[in-house]
Amino acid sequence: ETGVTQSPTHLIKTRGQQVTLRCSSQSGHNTVSWYQQALGQGPQFIFQYYREEENGRGNFPPRFSGLQFPNYSSELNVNALELDDSALYLCASSQVGQHNEKLFFGSGTQLSVL
Amino acid sequence: GIQVEQSPPDLILQEGANSTLRCNFSDSVNNLQWFHQNPWGQLINLFYIPSGTKQNGRLSATTVATERYSLLYISSSQTTDSGVYFCAVVVGGTSYGKLTFGQGTILTVHP
Repeated sequence: ETGVTQSPTHLIKTRGQQVTLRCSSQSGHNTVSWYQQALGQGPQFIFQYYREEENGRGNFPPRFSGLQFPNYSSELNVNALELDDSALYLCASSQVGQHNEKLFFGSGTQLSVL
Repeated sequence: GIQVEQSPPDLILQEGANSTLRCNFSDSVNNLQWFHQNPWGQLINLFYIPSGTKQNGRLSATTVATERYSLLYISSSQTTDSGVYFCAVVVGGTSYGKLTFGQGTILTVHP
């Protein structure tokens, strides 16, 4: 059912580098959220974008930043990569205003920082 | 912040068995969802259920908001049900997409 697509699927970077992950929301959805999932853990909320502005942020440092574009696609940027940034990064979209506030997730980007 | 606790952490079943997964949360919520994460990492939304009971095929869920828990029932389990089941909530007054996840229940169904 999900129409959320993420790219790339896998990525290997070295410590100190910068990375950009991309997400296309499900058609008709105006809100995108990003999550980080470490191995063996539940996903953790990074931030959410609505109408191209950040609308809620979790406990992540400023080197995690994002963008939402007019077509509701989104980017997650991480600067000065650290080894602990190795994780599965998940994008989710939803439609604010719907009574049924379900989130639909993409398949994720597996980031490895060496 | 809100605490979300899931039990049991691991569950092993034979195909055809029934199971109940539990999610306890520490604060009132306006959004509760159950997800299944398959072995390839895909999170599939099973239910949006901040209160009441819903059924979808072999799966059903009940949330008792006043007592701060939710249950996910899986009947006649199949090997394709294997994976990790997550409960996730949104605390009242926070942004819609800010789900707080539990640690998950790892379900293994043997043929």
